[in-house]
Amino acid sequence: NAGVTQTPKFRVLKTGQSMTLLCAQDMNHEYMYWYRQDPGMGLRLIHYSVGEGTTAKGEVPDGYNVSRLKKQNFLLGLESAAPSQTSVYFCASSSIAGGASQPQHFGDGTRLSIL
Amino acid sequence: GQSLEQPSEVTAVEGAIVQINCTYQTSGFYGLSWYQQHDGGAPTFLSYNALDGLEETGRFSSFLSRSDSYGYLLLQELQMKDSASYFCAVRDPDSWGKLQFGAGTQVVVTP
Repeated sequence: NAGVTQTPKFRVLKTGQSMTLLCAQDMNHEYMYWYRQDPGMGLRLIHYSVGEGTTAKGEVPDGYNVSRLKKQNFLLGLESAAPSQTSVYFCASSSIAGGASQPQHFGDGTRLSIL
Repeated sequence: GQSLEQPSEVTAVEGAIVQINCTYQTSGFYGLSWYQQHDGGAPTFLSYNALDGLEETGRFSSFLSRSDSYGYLLLQELQMKDSASYFCAVRDPDSWGKLQFGAGTQVVVTP
């Protein structure tokens, strides 16, 4: 039972490079999310998706793009990486069934450093 | 929007009881959740309260008072493995699939 899988786990980029973070869930969840977490801070929502083909901005969307072409996958892209995007990125998913009580299930995170 | 306040750090000895308070402001309330995160790990769901009162799950309990916009997480019989960060979270009333997290409380358990 894999749950939520993030790829890669670690990455170092140079300023201006681009990359895509991959998130896959095998729980048939409708909702998927991308967060970033900086030292001593909580989780801040970057983008989220309420279903295949739909995405929406979260709290800190600037500099990121996302796509959800398949229900099980949610991709986070950095077009031109900046040092301020050095962070730990978490993907999460949740089910719509059961309403507001449904928990979010998190991946193990991607640790990204921008030099 | 929403806002949540929780203490930044709590230190206690093994076997003790720790209470982590969380006060929230939101225009529409859909329950208070708690998550645990060990250093270097992923957040994991602990509990959810939609109604006033205490919910107990083993050594952990969570309390909610909707009239006071307040909740707490109670950790009993503290163990070293309970050293972690604990986050409270509320739903976004405009899109309840979204969660707004507090900044987290780091619990340090000492021998």
